[in-house]
Amino acid sequence: AQSVTQLDSQVPVFEEAPVELRCNYSSSVSVYLFWYVQYPNQGLQLLLKYLSGSTLVKGINGFEAEFNKSQTSFHLRKPSVHISDTAEYFCAVNRPSNDYKLSFGAGTTVTVRA
Amino acid sequence: DTAVSQTPKYLVTQMGNDKSIKCEQNLGHDTMYWYKQDSKKFLKIMFSYNNKELIINETVPNRFSPKSPDKAHLNLHINSLELGDSAVYFCASRGTAENEQFFGPGTRLTVL
Repeated sequence: AQSVTQLDSQVPVFEEAPVELRCNYSSSVSVYLFWYVQYPNQGLQLLLKYLSGSTLVKGINGFEAEFNKSQTSFHLRKPSVHISDTAEYFCAVNRPSNDYKLSFGAGTTVTVRA
Repeated sequence: DTAVSQTPKYLVTQMGNDKSIKCEQNLGHDTMYWYKQDSKKFLKIMFSYNNKELIINETVPNRFSPKSPDKAHLNLHINSLELGDSAVYFCASRGTAENEQFFGPGTRLTVL
């Protein structure tokens, strides 16, 4: 079984400041890693994913994440946030052997203030 | 064109009623999922279907019965609704050669 821990439940940040959302996972086998964003009252949108290859992954809206196998982490970063980045962010993992079902972390609420 | 659609968007009903939520995807995907997001925003897999066959059932009560009439549709029927069923239900789909799931907009179910 795999599990995902998002270390920060809420992250307040000022506009144009950088933000980092922390995600750690545990699994006895290799997994694939994802970050999803959920804007208020909307569905989930994929920000980025790590399947293999380069450990630095770039996604949409200026976000990037770095896969660190030794630390079993997949932290999400953005160098300069906008008000429109206010949302809930979910880290998730899956693997082929269980039909790619996603296991999610508890989510991090990012609130961007002017 | 909406890739994954769900109806209705909102559903308010009384305890004990039976209700259905519909999901359709126009992406040509073979695999569809239902996830439940509770009041604390925690997301958990409920079911997975591949080409109309049930693959995963994550110990969901048998009051919940998914039905897949064809691979583009995965509906969720819930019998004898309980207060604890109040949540947002998300449908998702995935192509065979892909590892990205596309989510619908969600259905907010409120049981009174």
